[in-house]
Amino acid sequence: QVQLQQSGPGLVKPSQTLSLTCAISGDSVSSNSAAWIWIRQSPSRGLEWLGRTYYRSKWYNDYALSVKSRITINPDTSKNQFSLQLNSVTPEDTAVYYCVRAVEAAQLDYWGQGTLVTVSS
Amino acid sequence: DIQMTQSPSSLSASVGDRVTITCRASQSISSYLNWYQQKPGKAPNLLIYVASSLQSGVPSRFSGSGSGTDFTLTISSLQPEDFATYYCQQSYSSPALTFGGGTKVEIK
Repeated sequence: QVQLQQSGPGLVKPSQTLSLTCAISGDSVSSNSAAWIWIRQSPSRGLEWLGRTYYRSKWYNDYALSVKSRITINPDTSKNQFSLQLNSVTPEDTAVYYCVRAVEAAQLDYWGQGTLVTVSS
Repeated sequence: DIQMTQSPSSLSASVGDRVTITCRASQSISSYLNWYQQKPGKAPNLLIYVASSLQSGVPSRFSGSGSGTDFTLTISSLQPEDFATYYCQQSYSSPALTFGGGTKVEIK
């Protein structure tokens, strides 16, 4: 059974960096058949795909255009986890953030518990 | 981006009712359409993938159909635990996944 456990602060000041980590059990961040994704959810923007990291003989990343200049998703093979960094946050980045596993036809079959991140001074 | 439009945005139904939710894509997405259920305070849960395949462990009262631009999620006999919000998600333009706005199923 795959489990994704998220960690990170729930409050970030404007202009600072949002950092979250997702620890994986029951699968490997280096899996050749999965991608590891960050999604956020807010009342104003709904469910929004942010980006992914995945391994297919080498590491790849893809990011949503809306955050491409501010986002980094990194795998950590030593700890079997992956992370999200979002720079220069504003109150519009306030949302529940989820880490997610995607397989096959990009169905999202395992989700972390979600972290409410509030951007406020 | 491919836009996903769900209808209705909310509905009221009784236990035992047959419920149908529609999702329309702004362009053809073949069968690259997934459905999720979300309960308050919880992450979404995958129900149906590639339009009509039932995810392991999901009750058979849930079914999906459609291809191209028009898709349907059907709950054949609504149960108390099915009151939730349902989302469609396209993966045709992967990695840029997009979601519908959701349909909230409430108790009549």
